[in-house]
Amino acid sequence: GAVVSQHPSRVICKSGTSVKIECRSLDFQATTMFWYRQFPKQSLMLMATSNEGSKATYEQGVEKDKFLINHASLTLSTLTVTSAHPEDSSFYICSAQGVSGNTIYFGEGSWLTVV
Amino acid sequence: AQSVTQLGSHVSVSEGALVLLRCNYSSSVPPYLFWYVQYPNQGLQLLLKYTSAATLVKGINGFEAEFKKSETSFHLTKPSAHMSDAAEYFCAVSDPWGTGFQKLVFGTGTRLLVSP
Repeated sequence: GAVVSQHPSRVICKSGTSVKIECRSLDFQATTMFWYRQFPKQSLMLMATSNEGSKATYEQGVEKDKFLINHASLTLSTLTVTSAHPEDSSFYICSAQGVSGNTIYFGEGSWLTVV
Repeated sequence: AQSVTQLGSHVSVSEGALVLLRCNYSSSVPPYLFWYVQYPNQGLQLLLKYTSAATLVKGINGFEAEFKKSETSFHLTKPSAHMSDAAEYFCAVSDPWGTGFQKLVFGTGTRLLVSP
């Protein structure tokens, strides 16, 4: 079946640095990708929706200059957390929607720890 | 605004026992409803979804869920638990008419523990 891969699965970075998380659709073309964040014992919260070749649409309260999303190809979207702070430590997970639009597939998620 | 409430962050059952994971939703329009499962270190996998067709939805791995509009519920059940069912389960809702079919609002998740 369709597979969405995220990398890295776990990352630790220093406060003030930037970190990039990749989301790849391995065997289908993803016209739309979604980025979620999950804090411990809380729901997955949608951060932004990205369509290939266009700017991402951010949810209310999500800083677009802090969470840079790039969807340059039909198989790759990246989330860059800029100037990371400890409060950005969270579980980030992406999902990808294929051309048919009927089903979405989730990545394995990425644990970010900012120290 | 849509929301989902999952009662119980942890549910423990014995192998072979009935599994019941509760989900209640709040939506101003007829929703689409989903159950996802997440095994350790893996992505979310779709178990089943309700999209306004039959109210009793059968999914993978023997799971099913029933949409009850009067109770605003979409509880997930399985007649007989298996050790391999131990995982985190998420209920989610989307608004197909406004924000888009794939824009999901998730519950906080329920961890299912299965004991021998």
